[in-house]
Amino acid sequence: AQSVTQLDSQVPVFEEAPVELRCNYSSSVSVYLFWYVQYPNQGLQLLLKYLSGSTLVESINGFEAEFNKSQTSFHLRKPSVHISDTAEYFCAVSGKNGNKLVFGAGTILRVKS
Amino acid sequence: GAGVSQSPSNKVTEKGKDVELRCDPISGHTALYWYRQRLGQGLEFLIYFQGNSAPDKSGLPSDRFSAERTGESVSTLTIQRTQQEDSAVYLCASSAQGLGYTFGSGTRLTVV
Repeated sequence: AQSVTQLDSQVPVFEEAPVELRCNYSSSVSVYLFWYVQYPNQGLQLLLKYLSGSTLVESINGFEAEFNKSQTSFHLRKPSVHISDTAEYFCAVSGKNGNKLVFGAGTILRVKS
Repeated sequence: GAGVSQSPSNKVTEKGKDVELRCDPISGHTALYWYRQRLGQGLEFLIYFQGNSAPDKSGLPSDRFSAERTGESVSTLTIQRTQQEDSAVYLCASSAQGLGYTFGSGTRLTVV
């Protein structure tokens, strides 16, 4: 079975500042890793995913995450945030044996001007 | 269809009534999932269908909850004798071989 820990429930940050949202997972098998974003009053959207290959994955809106197997982490980073990045971000993991997607509790990113 | 479709988008029901929520997955997606998101909380896994295999029901919170799926198409989640703690957004997702889950917009259930 898998589990996910998102260490910060809320992260306030000023516009144009860098941000890191932390995610750690545990699993007895190899994993796929995902970050989802939920904007206010909207549904969940896939932001980026790690399936295999390069451990650094990027999204189209400037976010990136790095799979660190030794630290069992998949932290999400952005060098310069915008007001529009205000949302709740969920880290998720599934085993490569194809079972269910397990979510963390979520981190609310609040970008202030 | 182009995305995962859920209906109704909103449902208000009286305590004790039964409700049925519907999910139309993306055509060709063999896997279908139901999750629950209570206000201010993360996503709670409910049930997982994969092709013709027996569903993983390990997340269903009580025997008042059940779900069915016809082949690789529509799924319905039924909650019997609803309670106020059942109030939440119920999310459906589908995927092809577990890679890249697409979520529907959810059904917001309010039990009064």
